[in-house]
Amino acid sequence: GENVEQHPSTLSVQEGDSAVIKCTYSDSASNYFPWYKQELGKGPQLIIDIRSNVGEKKDQRIAVTLNKTAKHFSLHITETQPEDSAVYFCAAPPESTGFQKLVFGTGTRLLVSP
Amino acid sequence: NAGVTQTPKFQVLKTGQSMTLQCAQDMNHNSMYWYRQDPGMGLRLIYYSASEGTTDKGEVPNGYNVSRLNKREFSLRLESAAPSQTSVYFCASSGSSGVYNEQFFGPGTRLTVL
Repeated sequence: GENVEQHPSTLSVQEGDSAVIKCTYSDSASNYFPWYKQELGKGPQLIIDIRSNVGEKKDQRIAVTLNKTAKHFSLHITETQPEDSAVYFCAAPPESTGFQKLVFGTGTRLLVSP
Repeated sequence: NAGVTQTPKFQVLKTGQSMTLQCAQDMNHNSMYWYRQDPGMGLRLIYYSASEGTTDKGEVPNGYNVSRLNKREFSLRLESAAPSQTSVYFCASSGSSGVYNEQFFGPGTRLTVL
């Protein structure tokens, strides 16, 4: 089955710096890679996703890159702000589930200090 | 729209007690999910329902049962709670067709089993 590994588990940056979170996956058939943000006391919320036919996608200060050959994808946050502090999860859908379920990484706690 | 709602928000049980976690969505989604979130382990799928009347086991189904009561509601039951089931439980739903469907999460239920 699908195995999704996420690094680092915690990341501390100064406001204005960039942050990068990396994930690797094992199922080469996976074709959709979302990133979720979870604020304290809330459920996760989708912030950006990428499909397997695209190498990079940007949305204002956040971007996701995908390397299908190496089976890894990354979240990039530029000009970080204190409100970016949260736990971030990557995910991928295994082919064995008909791509209907997501396997999540273990999460990265991002702390942005003013 | 309320999105995905969960009740209760908090619950404390004694070992061996039973309870049902309720989840409802008002987005006319076909697919619904139950996850548990434990420190350092990310989100793990307990059960999944692709449509009304169908359910499927996820990664960690032991000790749980589910009911897809209708298209809106998906409940999770603990028949005999154990301390290992202390966790935060999230319900989610996603759209009806295609493979690239965002999952919308509820606010979670924090369960403690003593």
